[in-house]
This record gives sequence, C-alpha cells and structure tokens, in this order.
Amino acid sequence: AQKVTQAQTEISVVEKEDVTLDCVYETRDTTYYLFWYKQPPSGELVFLIRRNSFDEQNEISGRYSWNFQKSTSSFNFTITASQVVDSAVYFCALRLDGGFKTIFGAGTRLFVKA
Amino acid sequence: DTGVSQNPRHKITKRGQNVTFRCDPISEHNRLYWYRQTLGQGPEFLTYFQNEAQLEKSRLLSDRFSAERPKGSFSTLEIQRTEQGDSAMYLCASTLGQATNEKLFFGSGTQLSVL
Repeated sequence: AQKVTQAQTEISVVEKEDVTLDCVYETRDTTYYLFWYKQPPSGELVFLIRRNSFDEQNEISGRYSWNFQKSTSSFNFTITASQVVDSAVYFCALRLDGGFKTIFGAGTRLFVKA
Repeated sequence: DTGVSQNPRHKITKRGQNVTFRCDPISEHNRLYWYRQTLGQGPEFLTYFQNEAQLEKSRLLSDRFSAERPKGSFSTLEIQRTEQGDSAMYLCASTLGQATNEKLFFGSGTQLSVL
C-alpha cells in the first residue's frame, strides 16, 4: 500500500527564519511522482513542485528548495527566510506511474509570525 | 483561464436530505477528480473522470454518492440521505493530457455541513 506521512502537524516560526517541512512516503513501485501543494486560507490547493522517482536532483526555486532522497524515502521542503505570506497548510503527495489517484499526507500547518 | 470553479462554496443541510455540488473544470481539461477533505487531514480521492467516463471510484464512495460528467464538461457530485459523517470539504480538480504525472488544478471546494 502507498502512504505519505507528514509528522509535523503544526510549525510556528518568526519571519525570516528558515523552516523545513518533512515528508516520508511509502511505496513498492519503482516509478512514481512526488508533489508538494500549498493550501492558503482561501482553501484552493496550489501546485508547488513535482519530482519523478528517477530524478533525485534537488531543486531550488527562489526561497523554496526541495531535498529528495530515495534512500530514506523522503521529500523534504525548505522555505528560506520565511514570510507571513507563507502561512498555509502544505501537503506532500504521491502518485504511482500509470495511476490516477494522488495520495496526500495529512499536511503541515505553517504559521509565520511577523 | 478562469480556473476550476465549484458551486456552492458552502452548503448547510439537515441529515437525510440530498445535496448536489457542481464543478466546472478548466475548459480544455479532459481529466476531472473529486476529493474529500476533513479537518486536519489531506484530501482523500473519491473518483476520477476521463472525459465523460468515470474510470475509478474509491471505496469511500458509498452507494449514497454518485458523480457524473455529462459530455465531458462540468461534473456533479450528489450525496443522497446525507449523514453527519459526510460533513467535509469537497474538492474538485482537473488536468489536461494522458500522462499520470500531471499536476492538479484545484477549485476552492464546497464546504458541506450536515446538521
């Protein structure tokens, strides 16, 4: 069975601090896709990044960076110099190759205080 | 590109009543998904359409739930004889193409409260 675990339920930081959101996934498939989505208070999930299982290169996009490690089945997300606008719930998700169902973790609620 | 639209945004109903939600995906998107999200949890997959064909249904989708996508455009999700356990946010998402690694575009959801 496939599973995504986000052990951190809530994280609170002060603006300009760096913060890492953890994600651990489980699957026996060799080809799969990992995603991060952001859900602001408005409720609409917004896509942030997609990673293929065969591409372990880490990625940086502005203040966001992602660390994918197949050896530990982790796909962690770091926000550098956090801002109040980063306050949201962040979801890590998994989809198997050839599948249609995206499996989401329970999410991590991030509070960034000014 | 007007995004994925869901109506209504909020629905309050009494136990035992039927409710229907509507989702209008991004116009050219051929794939449409319904998810359910309860407080403090991530979205859970309910069902999936490719054009007008419903290709996959979750075991979460009991006989009281039915979804349609006539003509492969908008979709409706109906819940019959609502129960308090049906209270949740119902999310619709769409995407384009055949690849299974496509990102999802979500609507803002319909928040259902069953009293």
